Amino acid sequence: DTAVSQTPKYLVTQMGNDKSIKCEQNLGHDTMYWYKQDSKKFLKIMFSYNNKELIINETVPNRFSPKSPDKAHLNLHINSLELGDSAVYFCASSPSGQGGKVNEKLFFGSGTQLSVL
Amino acid sequence: DQQVKQNSPSLSVQEGRISILNCDYTNSMFDYFLWYKKYPAEGPTFLISISSIKDKNEDGRFTVFLNKSAKHLSLHIVPSQPGDSAVYFCAASDLGNQFYFGTGTSLTVIP
Repeated sequence: DTAVSQTPKYLVTQMGNDKSIKCEQNLGHDTMYWYKQDSKKFLKIMFSYNNKELIINETVPNRFSPKSPDKAHLNLHINSLELGDSAVYFCASSPSGQGGKVNEKLFFGSGTQLSVL
Repeated sequence: DQQVKQNSPSLSVQEGRISILNCDYTNSMFDYFLWYKKYPAEGPTFLISISSIKDKNEDGRFTVFLNKSAKHLSLHIVPSQPGDSAVYFCAASDLGNQFYFGTGTSLTVIP
């Protein structure tokens, strides 16, 4: 069983479209995240949810809207896609969301390669 | 501003030799450090971690060293194996909810 699964794995779309990426974790973790890996390979956090509540919202355009229907799911909806949105998006989860806590670590999904044409 | 830096984008090592991957950080509030390994088309997977109260943590062929005064950590892999070829990400965390990642070092172990 995949611990953190995200779909789709590949997403090719035209500029201006709206798309969603889904993520589910079966680890029973309290916190879920969205990370973006850009062309420079930099893994940067976008959002973090703890028990369905938004706790981290980095400087991300408001075209990006996360939705957490329950603590096992965190979906990412992107409106009016732009060329610069092309990247790999990783979903992740962690047990408690307390970053400095010993043994706290992130479990990642396999990523969604988004290409905006 | 990048708080975790991996200045070597790539590293090649002969099989059986030691691989040393380096990482520097700028935030003195970081108290927990992790290394992740990533294969192509997969997500990063946890490899090893170290708390700021320690200066060394070992797990089999993998050892992480932390030098707090220099704000530097390193990952040693010995002996290196071809299956270790991957991208290695250094990450750091403070008392909050965030993990900060470096840009990764691509390790190639030559048979």
